[in-house]
Amino acid sequence: GAVVSQHPSRVICKSGTSVKIECRSLDFQATTMFWYRQFPKKSLMLMATSNEGSKATYEQGVEKDKFLINHASLTLSTLTVTSAHPEDSSFYICSATGWGTEAFFGQGTRLTVV
Amino acid sequence: DAKTTQPPSMDCAEGRAANLPCNHSTISGNEYVYWYRQIHSQGPQYIIHGLKNNETNEMASLIITEDRKSSTLILPHATLRDTAVYYCIVRVGGIQGAQKLVFGQGTRLTINP
Repeated sequence: GAVVSQHPSRVICKSGTSVKIECRSLDFQATTMFWYRQFPKKSLMLMATSNEGSKATYEQGVEKDKFLINHASLTLSTLTVTSAHPEDSSFYICSATGWGTEAFFGQGTRLTVV
Repeated sequence: DAKTTQPPSMDCAEGRAANLPCNHSTISGNEYVYWYRQIHSQGPQYIIHGLKNNETNEMASLIITEDRKSSTLILPHATLRDTAVYYCIVRVGGIQGAQKLVFGQGTRLTINP
């Protein structure tokens, strides 16, 4: 299947700092990318949908100023957690899909805010 | 997208077939059934999808009932590496398929030696 690379796989940051997570589609053009977060023993929760070249659409309850999403090219989307706090600690996962393709997922990023 | 219902957990012996059921009684005519699985601390992995015909690939088989209100994912010879949470998701496919996947709670499948 198609490859989606997410980086970094783990990050620890201090409270109040910002963290950027990258999601790249390596062998196909991703017209749409999705960002999820997942708490321990829970299912994935969709945060936002981003289409290349346009503003992301955020799910209800997700702060757009807190979680900045950029999808500037057909192979790269980034999620920036701004002014991170311990409650933002979670497993963040991206997925990418192109026209007529299934969604493929990155490996996930474990964010720990201390 | 239509809602799906799955058992929260299942056990299966190594080497046996694992049959994972999913109910999707409100599925629409243009919605496909997708299966993903998530091994601990990894991103979900695509397994298979289908519209109304049964499907088979190198990973699994998907059996969809004639009325499309339920389906079964079959792992023919389960191994310990198949231990994961399996998600059944219904959504529009094809060129309109660039749509979000909404995950339910899934089935936690444990393969026992």
